[in-house]
Amino acid sequence: AQSVAQPEDQVNVAEGNPLTVKCTYSVSGNPYLFWYVQYPNRGLQFLLKYITGDNLVKGSYGFEAEFNKSQTSFHLKKPSALVSDSALYFCAVRDRNSGYSTLTFGKGTMLLVSP
Amino acid sequence: KAGVTQTPRYLIKTRGQQVTLSCSPISGHRSVSWYQQTPGQGLQFLFEYFSETQRNKGNFPGRFSGRQFSNSRSEMNVSTLELGDSALYLCASSFSDRDTEAFFGQGTRLTVV
Repeated sequence: AQSVAQPEDQVNVAEGNPLTVKCTYSVSGNPYLFWYVQYPNRGLQFLLKYITGDNLVKGSYGFEAEFNKSQTSFHLKKPSALVSDSALYFCAVRDRNSGYSTLTFGKGTMLLVSP
Repeated sequence: KAGVTQTPRYLIKTRGQQVTLSCSPISGHRSVSWYQQTPGQGLQFLFEYFSETQRNKGNFPGRFSGRQFSNSRSEMNVSTLELGDSALYLCASSFSDRDTEAFFGQGTRLTVV
């Protein structure tokens, strides 16, 4: 079985400051890892993924994430937050050995960026 | 290139009724998955289809069913609706069952009264 933990329900940061949204995962095989963002009354929008290779992954809108195999973490980061980054962020894992496309999501973290 | 299209966007049904939701994947995508999103349970996996075959199923009662057509469009059906079925139902498509990222539609908001 696979699982994802996002330990913070909400993260507050001031505009211009760096932000981190935490994610840890558990999967029996090797993981594919993803971050998605959801704006109010919208579906999920893909931000970035880790497949293999470099542990630092760069994605859309200036976001990046660092894969840490020993800590089974995949934290989302951005050097300078914008008010428009305020949204609900989901971390997801897929077991690459399962043969399925099924994603397991964390509970989500609400990011609030204040002006 | 059009994205994933889900219809209808909003739906209000009465307990005991049944409902059918539709998902048209991105052109050329053959894999479709469905998820239920609720404030209490978050995002939970319902089904995964590839080339008209259900490849995986989540832990939901038999009232929840789905299918995929030859043009990759998918439908999900919920029978004997309960208040707890009120949720945002999200459809995701990917090019193949081995593709990595999935692209989501805007969802169907189902309210059961």
